[in-house]
Amino acid sequence: QVQLQQSAAELARPGASVKMSCKASGYTFTSYTMHWVKQRPGQGLEWIGYINPSSGYTEYNQKFKDKTTLTADKSSSTAYMQLSSLTSEDSAVYYCARSGDYDLAYWGQGTLVTVSA
Amino acid sequence: DIQMTQTTSSLSASLGDRVTISCSASQGISNYLNWYQQKPDGTVKLLIYYTSSLHSGVPSRFSGSGSGTDYSLTISNLEPEDIATYYCQQYSKLPWTFGGGTKLEIK
Repeated sequence: QVQLQQSAAELARPGASVKMSCKASGYTFTSYTMHWVKQRPGQGLEWIGYINPSSGYTEYNQKFKDKTTLTADKSSSTAYMQLSSLTSEDSAVYYCARSGDYDLAYWGQGTLVTVSA
Repeated sequence: DIQMTQTTSSLSASLGDRVTISCSASQGISNYLNWYQQKPDGTVKLLIYYTSSLHSGVPSRFSGSGSGTDYSLTISNLEPEDIATYYCQQYSKLPWTFGGGTKLEIK
């Protein structure tokens, strides 16, 4: 079965960067795009962007373009998202989600990022 | 960006009820509309894709409908495990956008 295992919670200082991971199993990693979604405490869902693990092509929501870098390692079936120049506005749960056709068919459990001095 | 609006932020219903959750788009989205369920522990699952197609493994009491700018998710015969927040999401245009969510509670 499809599984997306995300990395553990992160505590980071303002101005720092964090890089989180999403390890995929149960399907061919390069056959589907991997998306990332942000959820601030008590808020709704925001689509950050996606990566095509086969080609490395990325598409970003303009809102997150200067904040986020998406990468993927085919050898380990792992997708990564790096967040830079962290502020309190970046404190959130971040989900990875594998695409279906034009949907987010399977989701990871989320990684909590807390930005605090 | 296309704005997705779920006007009902919370909804209370009884077990066995039929519940309808609505979602509207700021412009026509040609049925490119998905529904997701988020449980209180944060787990998110796809329920419905392309307005009315049921995702694998989703119980048949869930159904979706709509066209143009107005869409809905219906849960027939509400069960305790349906307690969750429900989000609509459009994929007509990038960036993909979500509604604000409708939290479903048991009366």
